[in-house]
Amino acid sequence: QSVLTQPPSVSGAPGQRVTISCTGTSSNIGAGYDVQWYQQIPETAPKLLIYANTNRPSGVLDRFSGSKSDISASLSITGLQAEDEADYYCLSYDSSLGAYVFGTGTKVSVL
Amino acid sequence: QVQLQASGPGLVKPSETLSLTCDVTGSSISSADYWGWIRQSAGKGLEWIGNIYRSGNTYYTPSLRSRVSMSVDTTKNQLSLRLSSVTAADTATYYCSRSYYNASGLPYRDAFDFGGQGTMVTVSA
Repeated sequence: QSVLTQPPSVSGAPGQRVTISCTGTSSNIGAGYDVQWYQQIPETAPKLLIYANTNRPSGVLDRFSGSKSDISASLSITGLQAEDEADYYCLSYDSSLGAYVFGTGTKVSVL
Repeated sequence: QVQLQASGPGLVKPSETLSLTCDVTGSSISSADYWGWIRQSAGKGLEWIGNIYRSGNTYYTPSLRSRVSMSVDTTKNQLSLRLSSVTAADTATYYCSRSYYNASGLPYRDAFDFGGQGTMVTVSA
């Protein structure tokens, strides 16, 4: 059971915007630790989409954006496309555990 | 471009020790801030196992701390993971990772760069 909670699934039509939440506690996101976001296509390694809450690595499209507030963070995907179908995970550090923790994961489906 | 290739025995018997290696190409293993391992059980989420830093310090997730160890072999440019007393719960795909560096070459400590495919391990008699 992860300390970072995500919705199991979100879906949207092509071209729409979807948002994935990552809710933590006062010992991780709420304590000021940054949030990262990963995209994982089945049978492949996770790919870094967002680091330090809002920053995109080189090569990641600007359709992906991140935000953080209080004990939560969000990943938004605009202009949803078929290739965005994947699992998405948030990552942060938890000071109570003394460990990095991943979110529970969210499956994005394009209708 | 840095590539990480994890490999291992594929099948390990319960109570034995799992040993994995990660070959690093495209960069010296001494150049990264840290290296680490993450695992993922079939159909499940990602679990951070631990990191080994350039200083030699290691940090492991609490649930595995008593059974896990990591090391770096600079002569082979290779990262290793050992997990003792394995059970079926340790069946997973194991990924190696390194600290993330942005396009300007600046490090960011709290993001993992996976850089390659994982290796699947099954614990079964």
